[in-house]
Amino acid sequence: QSVLTQPPSASGPPGQRVTISCSGSGSNFGIKNVNWYQQLPGTAPKLLIFNTDQRPSGVPERFSGSKSGTSASLAISGLRSEDEADYYCATCDDSPNCVFGGGTKLSVL
Amino acid sequence: QVQLQQSGPGLVKPAETLSLTCDISGDSVSSRTSTWNWIRQSPSRGLEWLGRTFYRSKWYTESAASVRSRITFSPDTSRNQISLHLSSATPDDSAVYYCARGGVPDSRGLFHLEAFDFWSQGTLVTVSA
Repeated sequence: QSVLTQPPSASGPPGQRVTISCSGSGSNFGIKNVNWYQQLPGTAPKLLIFNTDQRPSGVPERFSGSKSGTSASLAISGLRSEDEADYYCATCDDSPNCVFGGGTKLSVL
Repeated sequence: QVQLQQSGPGLVKPAETLSLTCDISGDSVSSRTSTWNWIRQSPSRGLEWLGRTFYRSKWYTESAASVRSRITFSPDTSRNQISLHLSSATPDDSAVYYCARGGVPDSRGLFHLEAFDFWSQGTLVTVSA
């Protein structure tokens, strides 16, 4: 079973670029796709990135995803105050069993 | 635009069955390119995927090992909705519950079933006497 580890917090000033990491362990993470979600307080998660590096329609190009080996990253450039939220990585194995990371709270200083 | 509207009780007694319904609009519960997932979120467990149901010439259900013995899903094609039933509820099942659609299309026309693009508003369910 996959386990996804994220840093509990991240921060940056407006306009900067910030990266959030997601480290995987267990079976299949090295060959599976990663999805990223943004959750604003009191709302449901919103899909930001799917298939590791693709953006759904309507998601700004400021958000990008990548993966290397058993780690994935979400990068946010041109940081804005409205980006303050919790960010989660997620993946599914072949069982299927889908798991989410513990989440990273992003603060825009 | 796909919309998912959840309904169900916010309070369940221990040992009883937790039941929630998700009304689907803008897509069909029988869609062959979508899956219908249940996910819950609590401070102690974080975001937890519970399982999914989907139609591919027949109905399939798949669930997380942690709840597999207690969980069932009921698709209703006449009402275009899905229901979740979690038996023998305990206080550890207290969480915000979401239904979500899986099946995001990419530029090549492939559908990514493990990516959840539409979510319900969520229902806080408390298991308490």
